[in-house]
Amino acid sequence: SQKIEQNSEALNIQEGKTATLTCNYTNYSPAYLQWYRQDPGRGPVFLLLIRENEKEKRKERLKVTFDTTLKQSLFHITASQPADSATYLCALEGGGADGLTFGKGTHLIIQP
Amino acid sequence: NAGVTQTPKFRVLKTGQSMTLLCAQDMNHEYMYWYRQDPGMGLRLIHYSVGEGTTAKGEVPDGYNVSRLKKQNFLLGLESAAPSQTSVYFCASSLGHGNQPQHFGDGTRLSIL
Repeated sequence: SQKIEQNSEALNIQEGKTATLTCNYTNYSPAYLQWYRQDPGRGPVFLLLIRENEKEKRKERLKVTFDTTLKQSLFHITASQPADSATYLCALEGGGADGLTFGKGTHLIIQP
Repeated sequence: NAGVTQTPKFRVLKTGQSMTLLCAQDMNHEYMYWYRQDPGMGLRLIHYSVGEGTTAKGEVPDGYNVSRLKKQNFLLGLESAAPSQTSVYFCASSLGHGNQPQHFGDGTRLSIL
């Protein structure tokens, strides 16, 4: 069956370091992969989209990689700040009729 | 430009009551979605629409109905609420179906007693 895995445990990172979040998937061949940020009590907010033929995408302090061989995406936040603390969701275009399928998210905590 | 607006923000219902959740978007998006988010389960798709007058079932459609009479509005109905439907409900819209970002509202927190 299709599965998207993100670290269920909270990730604690010291301010100024690079935070790296992982999204692994099985039984998908997504053409697109997206990352969202969700703050408590708010809806998810889109951050980055990467296509299957793109290895890497950057936006300011954010970087996403997409390895279709490993079936994995990595999401990096460089020079992390306490304001980056949130839950980060990856989402795949699964090739079916439903559009995006979301992972359960990883809670990131940046400690001052 | 409000984006995606959901009403109400909070609601408490008794088992067996009915209600409609409203979603409005002002971005002229063709695609609209209803999700529920439960602890440990992530976002799960309930129903979606690929254009005005169309609806389709998602992953967890049972107990819900939807309508898209106007392009900018997508309504989610609970005909006979059950405690298992206690959740946070999110509406989203997008230009494309999987290949474009989805824009989310801030959710409706629904408790069924």
